[in-house]
Amino acid sequence: GAVVSQHPSWVICKSGTSVKIECRSLDFQATTMFWYRQFPKQSLMLMATSNEGSKATYEQGVEKDKFLINHASLTLSTLTVTSAHPEDSSFYICSAKDSYNEQFFGPGTRLTVL
Amino acid sequence: GENVEQHPSTLSVQEGDSAVIKCTYSDSASNYFPWYKQELGKRPQLIIDIRSNVGEKKDQRIAVTLNKTAKHFSLHITETQPEDSAVYFCAASIFPRAAGNKLTFGGGTRVLVKP
Repeated sequence: GAVVSQHPSWVICKSGTSVKIECRSLDFQATTMFWYRQFPKQSLMLMATSNEGSKATYEQGVEKDKFLINHASLTLSTLTVTSAHPEDSSFYICSAKDSYNEQFFGPGTRLTVL
Repeated sequence: GENVEQHPSTLSVQEGDSAVIKCTYSDSASNYFPWYKQELGKRPQLIIDIRSNVGEKKDQRIAVTLNKTAKHFSLHITETQPEDSAVYFCAASIFPRAAGNKLTFGGGTRVLVKP
């Protein structure tokens, strides 16, 4: 199946700093990528839909100025958590949709904000 | 929007027994129902999916059933093995998905298979 990577796999940062997470589709082009957030022992909650060449679509309750998404190419989407706080600590997972509309998940990024 | 409910939240079974997880959805337009298995700290992995034009699908020890009238679908795992222990998520979506259509996940079921 198609491969999606994320970088970094984990990150620890101080409160108030910004963190950028990359999501790459390695062997296919993805016009659409999705960003999810998963708290411990909970389900995946969609944060936003990232569309190549246009603005991301955010889910209700997700602050677009807090979680900046850029989908500059068909293989890369980035999520920047700005001015991170401890409550932003979570597991962030991206997924990418291929030309057959199948969705493939990245390995996730564990963010810990001190 | 779509709302997916999943039960039970935890399920403990003896090795060799069957496990059944049930999900209900609210949007009658949904027509694609995948199931994912997620091990601790790992990405969700698609294990089986079903489209609304069929009522049942099997893949070795795993089967999924769909009742569109009642808007519920179920995952059945037979002859469970310890490596089946994981968290399982159901999801619902509209397929093919134009940009903006999305997967809505159930709350997850933590399955523990006891040797």
